[in-house]
Amino acid sequence: DVVMTQSPLSLPVTLGQPASISCRSSQSLVYSDGNTYLTWFHQRPGQSPRRLIYKVSERDSGVPDRFSGSGSGTDFTLRISRVEAEDVGVYYCMQGTHWPPGYTFGQGTKLEIK
Amino acid sequence: EVHLVESGGGLVKPGGSLRLSCVASGFSFSNAWMGWVRQAPGKGLEWVGRIKSKVDGGATEYGAPGKGRFTVSRDDSRNTLYLQIKSLKTEDTAVYFCTTEANWSPWDWGQGTLVIVSS
Repeated sequence: DVVMTQSPLSLPVTLGQPASISCRSSQSLVYSDGNTYLTWFHQRPGQSPRRLIYKVSERDSGVPDRFSGSGSGTDFTLRISRVEAEDVGVYYCMQGTHWPPGYTFGQGTKLEIK
Repeated sequence: EVHLVESGGGLVKPGGSLRLSCVASGFSFSNAWMGWVRQAPGKGLEWVGRIKSKVDGGATEYGAPGKGRFTVSRDDSRNTLYLQIKSLKTEDTAVYFCTTEANWSPWDWGQGTLVIVSS
């Protein structure tokens, strides 16, 4: 089965500084239709997850443009250009290309403010 | 605005059964693919299963934790999604989130309902 591996698992960041989270899959996430189904979620403490980015780099409505996604094949990155206090929480990548096993999440990366 | 409200969680003994519900509003439920994701206390997200819309065939698919003991179903007349869990184990203790799907990914999420399996 495909395995999603995030790094780092903990990310202390100074307010206003950039942040970057890596997500690697054990198999290529390019689907037979040519799309790459790699998604990023953000979960604030005590809240439900919120989808930020789908298909590698498509931002969901209402997501600030300081969030961007990139990558291809097996290597993907979520970047925050300037971290704000509301960005704390855990970020998860997830693949939707391989069925089975179905949606598979990374372990999560906890972003905190230094 | 999309609203997903889960219910049905609680304390259950190992070996017991439970049915979770998710009432949806703010979108065309009958045309939506819907799913369940769970999160054990202090842990990450784990996909449980999903059901396609009837117009797309209504098939169900399950992740590793969902196979065999979990059943996802829907009642479009009630705008409600269900998750039936049998033979509950202590490792099923988690918050269970109901989600819509779009672009081959969970999209909107409910607030979750907590299931605790303990004797």
